[in-house]
Amino acid sequence: ILNVEQSPQSLHVQEGDSTNFTCSFPSSNFYALHWYRWETAKSPEALFVMTLNGDEKKKGRISATLNTKEGYSYLYIKGSQPEDSATYLCAFWNTGNQFYFGTGTSLTVI
Amino acid sequence: EPEVTQTPSHQVTQMGQEVILRCVPISNHLYFYWYRQILGQKVEFLVSFYNNEISEKSEIFDDQFSVERPDGSNFTLKIRSTKLEDSAMYFCASSQPGQTNEKLFFGSGTQLSVL
Repeated sequence: ILNVEQSPQSLHVQEGDSTNFTCSFPSSNFYALHWYRWETAKSPEALFVMTLNGDEKKKGRISATLNTKEGYSYLYIKGSQPEDSATYLCAFWNTGNQFYFGTGTSLTVI
Repeated sequence: EPEVTQTPSHQVTQMGQEVILRCVPISNHLYFYWYRQILGQKVEFLVSFYNNEISEKSEIFDDQFSVERPDGSNFTLKIRSTKLEDSAMYFCASSQPGQTNEKLFFGSGTQLSVL
């Protein structure tokens, strides 16, 4: 089982603050990195699918970057709003067609 | 927008009983998955299914588990003899044809409680 780690585990920010979290994954056999948002009582919803080293994706106030050589991805939220409160999951897909979720970062916007 | 649907939303069963969790993936999707999340733990991959056969499975997916696509629309997960530790939220997901790096669409989950 591969280790896909996310940090921090949980985060509380004030409305309007910008924040970011990290996903670390094995740098070998990389195929794709996904970010999902999981709100309470709902199913995970895809935010980004990233495949190339140096990829940057943006969706509204949320953006993500990818470094496949060192095995990390950052997710940024600019000007956090209460509706951003959710668990953010990254998922690593390797060339062996194995797909592993990270531990998640729980964000609460006060 | 098309969605993945799962039934039932909650299932309570006695230890040792068989359960079948049902999923209807998005109609033009060809890759199907089951994941689960035990309370307080991370989301775990169980199995992926393509072209009417299992393409990948995790160590969790032992002989007690099986998947089936009985009629071209449903995708089921069967647990033959449930154990207490099978209690979890089970999510079905599907993805676009031919694109293994396409995003997954998840159902709303089945909460399985084994007593």
